[in-house]
Amino acid sequence: LAKTTQPISMDSYEGQEVNITCSHNNIATNDYITWYQQFPSQGPRFIIQGYKTKVTNEVASLFIPADRKSSTLSLPRVSLSDTAVYYCLVAADTGFQKLVFGTGTRLLVSP
Amino acid sequence: DGGITQSPKYLFRKEGQNVTLSCEQNLNHDAMYWYRQDPGQGLRLIYYSQIVNDFQKGDIAEGYSVSREKKESFPLTVTSAQKNPTAFYLCASSFYKREQFFGPGTRLTVL
Repeated sequence: LAKTTQPISMDSYEGQEVNITCSHNNIATNDYITWYQQFPSQGPRFIIQGYKTKVTNEVASLFIPADRKSSTLSLPRVSLSDTAVYYCLVAADTGFQKLVFGTGTRLLVSP
Repeated sequence: DGGITQSPKYLFRKEGQNVTLSCEQNLNHDAMYWYRQDPGQGLRLIYYSQIVNDFQKGDIAEGYSVSREKKESFPLTVTSAQKNPTAFYLCASSFYKREQFFGPGTRLTVL
């Protein structure tokens, strides 16, 4: 399973756009990139998943360059409630995903 | 109201005791998973099951046991052989090739 590297923490202010970059240099051809959000004492929540180029949903965008060795989660206009830990994972799309969670990025949004 | 439930929310165990954590889902998911999370760390996979009456060890299965007698249920037993069981335990489920949905977690403390 590909190992990922993310910043340990990031700070932002309400209303700003936040971009969290994840490095996954040894990603395999059939790996997908997935992001989860976790609040304290709760289970992680799926945010977005992509394979290449750009994916957008109602809460976030995921940018993946052509070489797929990194990806960027973009959160538009964050609010205080976006303060959480964000995990970047890669997993093969060959069946039931055996996810490997790193320590994630701790995002703190201030007023 | 579909989802994953875990019980109890908090559990206290004396050293040398076995305890069983409950996980139930009504999402008709085929796969179910158990993770352990220690403070400030990411999730680590304990066991997972892709189908009823079948399960596989994850990365940290020693001292744990599971069963999958029904599609909806995947209980985890923390045995006395687990030397450091105090942690936050998370159950998840998914369809084939789809994202995982997590339960609210059980916080286990050894007294």
